[in-house]
Amino acid sequence: DAKTTQPNSMESNEEEPVHLPCNHSTISGTDYIHWYRQLPSQGPEYVIHGLTSNVNNRMASLAIAEDRKSSTLILHRATLRDAAVYYCILRGRGDTGRRALTFGSGTRLQVQP
Amino acid sequence: DAGVTQSPTHLIKTRGQQVTLRCSPKSGHDTVSWYQQALGQGPQFIFQYYEEEERQRGNFPDRFSGHQFPNYSSELNVNALLLGDSALYLCASSLGVRATNEKLFFGSGTQLSVL
Repeated sequence: DAKTTQPNSMESNEEEPVHLPCNHSTISGTDYIHWYRQLPSQGPEYVIHGLTSNVNNRMASLAIAEDRKSSTLILHRATLRDAAVYYCILRGRGDTGRRALTFGSGTRLQVQP
Repeated sequence: DAGVTQSPTHLIKTRGQQVTLRCSPKSGHDTVSWYQQALGQGPQFIFQYYEEEERQRGNFPDRFSGHQFPNYSSELNVNALLLGDSALYLCASSLGVRATNEKLFFGSGTQLSVL
């Protein structure tokens, strides 16, 4: 599986935007970029995924570089509840729910009031 | 809809003992995966079950075994516990073949401490 690289930790202030970067320089043309997050004392939860175009949902936005070697998860207004570890994961185009996720160490986001 | 449920939430065992962890998948899901998460690390894939058989396995010794029942629930068994088996054990469920990029749903995990 292609590898992703994320900063170990980031800090943000409440109600400010947060940009969480992910590098994936060996991404293949058919790999999707997925983001999961893990709140304290909980299992990971799906956030968003995309292939080439930027994507938005109620939780976040995903901005994908034109060469697809990097992406950024954007939380438009961070809340205290967004403090979590965020994982950037690559999945192949044909990966169904029967394909295991390969987690790295993720980025620990701290949100200050 | 009850999501993925795991039991127990916490467990303390001693070295050499055996442990069984349980998982009920999200309603309608047929595939269950187990992950081990050591403190400060990302989850690591142990194995996956669907149609009551182990289908994929990560890099874990055969002390780790599992089972899936006809109602899709699953158990994870660990024999001859080692101190290094202390971790959060996560269960994830998914729809196996409905669509690509199907998202996984995780339970809150079982925190296992081996003394």
